[in-house]
Amino acid sequence: DAKTTQPNSMESNEEEPVHLPCNHSTISGTDYIHWYRQLPSQGPEYVIHGLTSNVNNRMASLAIAEDRKSSTLILHRATLRDAAVYYCILDKNRDDKIIFGKGTRLHILP
Amino acid sequence: SAVISQKPSRDICQRGTSLTIQCQVDSQVTMMFWYRQQPGQSLTLIATANQGSEATYESGFVIDKFPISRPNLTFSTLTVSNMSPEDSSIYLCSVQTGQGVGGYTFGSGTRLTVV
Repeated sequence: DAKTTQPNSMESNEEEPVHLPCNHSTISGTDYIHWYRQLPSQGPEYVIHGLTSNVNNRMASLAIAEDRKSSTLILHRATLRDAAVYYCILDKNRDDKIIFGKGTRLHILP
Repeated sequence: SAVISQKPSRDICQRGTSLTIQCQVDSQVTMMFWYRQQPGQSLTLIATANQGSEATYESGFVIDKFPISRPNLTFSTLTVSNMSPEDSSIYLCSVQTGQGVGGYTFGSGTRLTVV
């Protein structure tokens, strides 16, 4: 499986946008880019995914580089409840396992 | 998306004993996945469980230590056998929500402490 690289931790102020980067230079053409987050004392939850085009949903936006070797998860207006570990994962979007990296721990400052 | 009920939510066990963790899904799914999350760490996949066949284990995990059952399309169990303090972790089950939906649903986990 192709590997992803994320910063260990990031900090942001409440009500400001947050840009979480992910590098995946060995991504293959069939790999989808998925983002999950894990809130304290909970299992991971799906945030967003994309293949080539930028994606928006009610939780976040996903900006994918033109060469697909990196992507950025954008939280438009962070709240304290967004404090979590965010995982960037490559997946072929078929009925198969997903492998977690170390993720980025996001701290939100009030 | 699927809803997963995982039991127990937490337990404290004596070393040398075994604990069976249950995972119930509210819809039929082909594959169920079991993960371990050691304190302060990311999730590590233990095995993939298909209904009607033996589970497929990842490197470093063996059936004798983590036997898995998958009797039907909505249920699975993971047993942590002959426990030691090193087995203290959160154990989570997961299922895929469906092609194109974007992903996997996770249970809330079982927090296991071995003393």
